[in-house]
Amino acid sequence: AQSVTQLDSHVSVSEGTPVLLRCNYSSSYSPSLFWYVQHPNKGLQLLLKYTSAATLVKGINGFEAEFKKSETSFHLTKPSAHMSDAAEYFCVVSDQGGGADGLTFGKGTHLIIQP
Amino acid sequence: SQTIHQWPATLVQPVGSPLSLECTVEGTSNPNLYWYRQAAGRGLQLLFYSVGIGQISSEVPQNLSASRPQDRQFILSSKKLLLSDSGFYLCAWSSYRSLTNSYNSPLHFGNGTRLTVT
Repeated sequence: AQSVTQLDSHVSVSEGTPVLLRCNYSSSYSPSLFWYVQHPNKGLQLLLKYTSAATLVKGINGFEAEFKKSETSFHLTKPSAHMSDAAEYFCVVSDQGGGADGLTFGKGTHLIIQP
Repeated sequence: SQTIHQWPATLVQPVGSPLSLECTVEGTSNPNLYWYRQAAGRGLQLLFYSVGIGQISSEVPQNLSASRPQDRQFILSSKKLLLSDSGFYLCAWSSYRSLTNSYNSPLHFGNGTRLTVT
């Protein structure tokens, strides 16, 4: 069985402060994990992916995520938030057990940036 | 480089009218193609996916259908729209996925179509 849980539906931070978006997963295989960002009325854009190489993954726009197998987590972080980071973020797990397309999407975390 | 085109960007249709949304991919061959729907304030729901021309898998029984007449073209259709069909429709593609590559190919999404059924 495969599942993904985004622990916060909304996260609010001030501009210039760190961002932490939490994601826990469950997988019976060796999963691949992805983070996507979605701005209003736009498609999803790939931020970064983990595919069993380095556990600390760097992505676009200053984001990074660390794969922790012992904690079954893949949290997304950024040292300093920018107003343009305000968006919806999706954590995705991918393996052979995820249904027809192998994917399970989290329900999303809405990131709010306070000026 | 690969690009994905999805149109129209917005669409307002009356209940009972037909629907046709089109998606094309450039710069890659034999992609896996997907249609997702995103209802307001909710996550993504996989509607259809295709691993080749004429090969369509349906994930959710409904009044929608999909077709893949060409390798890089994916069409979402309905003969009669319902109010509940309103939502944000996203087309996506990925490279071929197999058991040996552990499904590590990410999805690449189009910009979506906002459909409002009135």
